[in-house]
Amino acid sequence: DGGITQSPKYLFRKEGQNVTLSCEQNLNHDAMYWYRQDPGQGLRLIYYSQIVNDFQKGDIAEGYSVSREKKESFPLTVTSAQKNPTAFYLCASSPLSSGNTIYFGEGSWLTVV
Amino acid sequence: GQQVMQIPQYQHVQEGEDFTTYCNSSTTLSNIQWYKQRPGGHPVFLIQLVKSGEVKKQKRLTFQFGEAKKNSSLHITATQTTDVGTYFCAGRGATNKLIFGTGTLLAVQP
Repeated sequence: DGGITQSPKYLFRKEGQNVTLSCEQNLNHDAMYWYRQDPGQGLRLIYYSQIVNDFQKGDIAEGYSVSREKKESFPLTVTSAQKNPTAFYLCASSPLSSGNTIYFGEGSWLTVV
Repeated sequence: GQQVMQIPQYQHVQEGEDFTTYCNSSTTLSNIQWYKQRPGGHPVFLIQLVKSGEVKKQKRLTFQFGEAKKNSSLHITATQTTDVGTYFCAGRGATNKLIFGTGTLLAVQP
């Protein structure tokens, strides 16, 4: 099936540990995104990438890092520098054209204790 | 920077009542999109509006893009329990980045 796969769906980590969330897409989309959603809140952009080996900071990039070594993959690392990492993380992708829609993965719930 | 606000933040209706959510941007938008996120799910694309004053309908849902291309609305006629979820608008401005609104959570009581 075509789509965006995020893993793991649920993740628990101890404070101070880095954690990497996986995102893979087989839609052949050039652009990929990471959003953070806190309970009852909207979507905030963490990082985005429009081409392999290039990415830009979004609105809340501090404490996060990404890589884009392959077109299909855009992993997000939540580092120990992120002050409040517990949240729902959504990966998304889209074609590059400005009129195109964004397709979301099913999300990853990260709980840091 | 560009901001997109939605009101209300939360709306509780009886099944069969109408519902409207409004989206306002601080800057002119090239297009606006609407997404629905079911409880526990991920946002799913509903529609895109591009032209000034554009109105589009999907069954009981009516979407409108303002004349100045800075605001939009989603109206649901005769809500059903399947309409429950959070509705997000997302506007694309001069930077070409898609900025999501704060969302409106709709609760429908049977």
